[in-house]
Amino acid sequence: QKEVEQNSGPLSVPEGAIASLNCTYSDRGSQSFFWYRQYSGKSPELIMFIYSNGDKEDGRFTAQLNKASQYVSLLIRDSQPSDSATYLCAVNMYTGANSKLTFGKGITLSVRP
Amino acid sequence: SQTIHQWPATLVQPVGSPLSLECTVEGTSNPNLYWYRQAAGRGLQLLFYSVGIGQISSEVPQNLSASRPQDRQFILSSKKLLLSDSGFYLCARKDFRGTGGNYGYTFGSGTRLTVV
Repeated sequence: QKEVEQNSGPLSVPEGAIASLNCTYSDRGSQSFFWYRQYSGKSPELIMFIYSNGDKEDGRFTAQLNKASQYVSLLIRDSQPSDSATYLCAVNMYTGANSKLTFGKGITLSVRP
Repeated sequence: SQTIHQWPATLVQPVGSPLSLECTVEGTSNPNLYWYRQAAGRGLQLLFYSVGIGQISSEVPQNLSASRPQDRQFILSSKKLLLSDSGFYLCARKDFRGTGGNYGYTFGSGTRLTVV
């Protein structure tokens, strides 16, 4: 059973702080990793994807991947109240035609003004 | 345009009634398409995926079925709904982004189904 685990949360940080969201996965063969943001009542939207070990930065967001530890994280710098949402970690073992994402349950982030 | 259309946005159906949710996508041909369900307090669960017309793979046993009658059309159906079928149903497509095989999954706006 392939699993993706996220901290149960919720996570609350003050405005301007760094929010750190963590995710572990069970399938060592996993090849691609995604972070989605989901506002209440809305569908998920992709904010970051990462394939290689190390860090990947996009604006205030940094994704970190450590395949040896089977660990992927998302850092949000200078957190804003608009970042308050549920963040979903997703993992994909295959990149071919039969690829499909396995999602964690998500962690809810609240940024306090 | 890579837009994904889902309708209806919300639906209330009695137990035992049939269901048909439709997803249509724009953009490149022969996309990989997916149906996910998000139940209250639970994560996204993959229900079905399709790599082409008439090709359906089921991930979990249930009273739901899926069909792909056209390249850009993906339909989720049930003959008799159960209370446990309530949830947020999301259609998604796999989109290639740039070079190097990078890709992502884009979701439609979803259908919130309540079975009463």
